[in-house]
Amino acid sequence: KNEVEQSPQNLTAQEGEFITINCSYSVGISALHWLQQHPGGGIVSLFMLSSGKKKHGRLIATINIQEKHSSLHITASHPRDSAVYICAVTSKTTGSARQLTFGSGTQLTVLP
Amino acid sequence: DGGITQSPKYLFRKEGQNVTLSCEQNLNHDAMYWYRQDPGQGLRLIYYSQIVNDFQKGDIAEGYSVSREKKESFPLTVTSAQKNPTAFYLCASSMVGPDTQYFGPGTRLTVL
Repeated sequence: KNEVEQSPQNLTAQEGEFITINCSYSVGISALHWLQQHPGGGIVSLFMLSSGKKKHGRLIATINIQEKHSSLHITASHPRDSAVYICAVTSKTTGSARQLTFGSGTQLTVLP
Repeated sequence: DGGITQSPKYLFRKEGQNVTLSCEQNLNHDAMYWYRQDPGQGLRLIYYSQIVNDFQKGDIAEGYSVSREKKESFPLTVTSAQKNPTAFYLCASSMVGPDTQYFGPGTRLTVL
């Protein structure tokens, strides 16, 4: 079993829909990251969080430490949101080394 | 502008040849990382370095080598010992300690 599991693997939505991507992890963590990978391959960090909730524009990330679960929400989705969304965790066991363990990603396609 | 660059974007190599991928950052980050991405899989850590002249193996270091002679540079050599080197390679950097990782645009290596 992977340490970081994402669901769904693929998601197709109509423009304007509310989107949720889920991430579950099995290890103690010091932080959880949400990343966005564009079709060209470049990766952008969206959020780093260790508790609660963060919001940036139409993107909202939440984390429940007790349940070892995080969600990424996109409100009023747009075709330009189409990308692969990746969840990654920094395990407490790695100490000071900032190693990330990655989920396999969620391919999101937003249709106009 | 501050950022992290990788070159080349596309690289082709014949079997049995070593090849070096470049990674440079001007973000004044102490830590640098190399990841490999294969279709349908999460990113996997090859090597990381937290300080100049020091580096550590990641999960899949066999067949790869690195050096960290300067803070700004962390080149990765894919040696002929790497059995399946065709993949997308991403370099990242961060401050040491809990922090966001910043990714380069990636190099797509194809072995002919």
